[in-house]
Amino acid sequence: SQKIEQNSEALNIQEGKTATLTCNYTNYSPAYLQWYRQDPGRGPVFLLLIRENEKEKRKERLKVTFDTTLKQSLFHITASQPADSATYLCALEQGTRADKLIFGTGTRLQVFP
Amino acid sequence: SAVISQKPSRDICQRGTSLTIQCQVDSQVTMMFWYRQQPGQSLTLIATANQGSEATYESGFVIDKFPISRPNLTFSTLTVSNMSPEDSSIYLCSVEFGAGGGYEQYFGPGTRLTVT
Repeated sequence: SQKIEQNSEALNIQEGKTATLTCNYTNYSPAYLQWYRQDPGRGPVFLLLIRENEKEKRKERLKVTFDTTLKQSLFHITASQPADSATYLCALEQGTRADKLIFGTGTRLQVFP
Repeated sequence: SAVISQKPSRDICQRGTSLTIQCQVDSQVTMMFWYRQQPGQSLTLIATANQGSEATYESGFVIDKFPISRPNLTFSTLTVSNMSPEDSSIYLCSVEFGAGGGYEQYFGPGTRLTVT
C-alpha cells in the first residue's frame, strides 16, 4: 500500500533562514502532490500543487520540488518568519482514484526570532 | 476558493450516543469529503459525498457507524453513531472544485469530538 513519510520531529530554525521540509513516499507513483499548512485547532490550508511532469514550483517565498525518481518532495520556505510556524502536511493523489488524497502526518515548523 | 463552516465546533458526548456534524459551503461544489484526524495522526478519509448519490466509504468505515447526507450542493452532514471513546477525534469536511483529481481541497475548521 502507499506510504508517506514526513519527519515527525519538529524543525526549529531561526528567523530569516530557509526551512526545508521533506516528504518521501513509497510503493506508487502519484500524478500530483500537494502541500498544506495546518495551524492548531484549524483545518489545513492549501499552499501548492505540483504535478509529476513539473520539477519545481514557486509561490512567493515558497518552493516545492518533486523528484519522481527519488520519490521525494522538498518544501522550502525562504526568509522564514515566526508567522510561518505551523504544521506542514504533504498529500499525494491516491493512485487508483485521482480525486482522493493521502496525507502525511506532517512536520511541525517552529521559527524563532 | 471557498468558505466552509462546521457545526458544532466542539462537543463532549457520552458513549452510546450519536452526534451529527454539519458542513456548510458558501458556493456550490460537486465533491465533498469527510476526514478524521486523531491526536498526533494524519488526516484519514472517511468518505466522499457527492450530491445525488450514495456516499463512498473508505476501508474501515461503514455507513451504519458514519451515515452521511448530501441533500444539496452546499451542505452535508456526518453522523457519528453509537459513540465510544475511540471516536474522540477532530472531524473535518473539505470540498474540491473540479472533478477527476488534481485540484486543491478547502477544509472547514473542524469539529473536536470528545467521547466520555
